[in-house]
Amino acid sequence: GQNIDQPTEMTATEGAIVQINCTYQTSGFNGLFWYQQHAGEAPTFLSYNVLDGLEEKGRFSSFLSRSKGYSYLLLKELQMKDSASYLCAVLWQAGTALIFGKGTTLSVSS
Amino acid sequence: EAQVTQNPRYLITVTGKKLTVTCSQNMNHEYMSWYRQDPGLGLRQIYYSMNVEVTDKGDVPEGYKVSRKEKRNFPLILESPSPNQTSLYFCASSAGLNYGYTFGSGTRLTVV
Repeated sequence: GQNIDQPTEMTATEGAIVQINCTYQTSGFNGLFWYQQHAGEAPTFLSYNVLDGLEEKGRFSSFLSRSKGYSYLLLKELQMKDSASYLCAVLWQAGTALIFGKGTTLSVSS
Repeated sequence: EAQVTQNPRYLITVTGKKLTVTCSQNMNHEYMSWYRQDPGLGLRQIYYSMNVEVTDKGDVPEGYKVSRKEKRNFPLILESPSPNQTSLYFCASSAGLNYGYTFGSGTRLTVV
């Protein structure tokens, strides 16, 4: 199967910066997504990377290195509302399957 | 409003009693998918569909059926539910997977 690895839990304080890493198998890779999911709610789209480099979108940025099978989501100026699970998802098999990692639960404290 | 609608939001049923969870999208998306989400296991794909009458198994298809007779609807059928199918289920749709999925609000199913 396709192994997608992310840390299970992370903690940070308001105003800080946090980086959530994701590693995946490179064979058949077609793109990588980051989703945010608050407890009991549906996942919502944050970012999509298909080429190497950094994509910035407000307080959130996502980085991809295809050769290393590595991505990270960078959250700046953390707010309490950023407490959520962050899901890394990889598009495989010529774009027919979107497979999710188990998610990283981020807790932001004041 | 563009959305994916799942029903019901909550369902408690008994082992063996057939049930259907409906999913409908109003965005004319070709791709639709069902996922289940369990603590410690994340989102796992059950079935997906790339267009009308085209469906395929995901990672955990056992005990589930789907159909795609119309573009907007993609129901999930549990012919004989068992307690290990107690889970949070999400339906999702996409115009093309490089656009990502739009998820429904989820269905929390309990099988006793």
